[in-house]
Amino acid sequence: DAKTTQPNSMESNEEEPVHLPCNHSTISGTDYIHWYRQLPSQGPEYVIHGLTSNVNNRMASLAIAEDRKSSTLILHRATLRDAAVYYCILRAFGEYGNKLVFGAGTILRVKS
Amino acid sequence: DVKVTQSSRYLVKRTGEKVFLECVQDMDHENMFWYRQDPGLGLRLIYFSYDVKMKEKGDIPEGYSVSREKKERFSLILESASTNQTSMYLCASSLFSPRGYEQYFGPGTRLTVT
Repeated sequence: DAKTTQPNSMESNEEEPVHLPCNHSTISGTDYIHWYRQLPSQGPEYVIHGLTSNVNNRMASLAIAEDRKSSTLILHRATLRDAAVYYCILRAFGEYGNKLVFGAGTILRVKS
Repeated sequence: DVKVTQSSRYLVKRTGEKVFLECVQDMDHENMFWYRQDPGLGLRLIYFSYDVKMKEKGDIPEGYSVSREKKERFSLILESASTNQTSMYLCASSLFSPRGYEQYFGPGTRLTVT
């Protein structure tokens, strides 16, 4: 499995945008980029995923570099409820098991 | 609303006991997964299943087995519980697709083996 690198922690102010970076320099052409988050005392929750183009959904936006060696999860207006561990994961196309390999993630703290 | 449920939130067992952790999903998903989560080690995949009666080993299958007799239910079995299996256990499910669909996670079972 290709490896991802994320900062251990980040801090943000409430109501401000947050940009969570992820490096994946060994990504292959068929790897999808997935983001999950885990709120305290809960199981992980899907946020967004993409392959090459930038993606938007109701939770966040995913910006993917042109060479695909890095990506950024964007929370447009952080709230206290967004405080969580955010995981950037690569998943290879074609694996029937849809297996995800979680790294350590980034702890996001949101200040009021 | 999608739902993955796990049989217990907290469980305490003794060393050597046989332990069953149950997971049920109501989304008609083909894939189901069992992970464990430990501080400093993140989530690690134990086993997964892509169909009834089918199973594949994940990264840390030793000391565990699984059973999938019905599509909606995936059981994790600790044949003889040991203290190093004290952990948070998370079940997940997803549709089958090479493109990759999101996994839905249950709330977790915190297992303590004494």
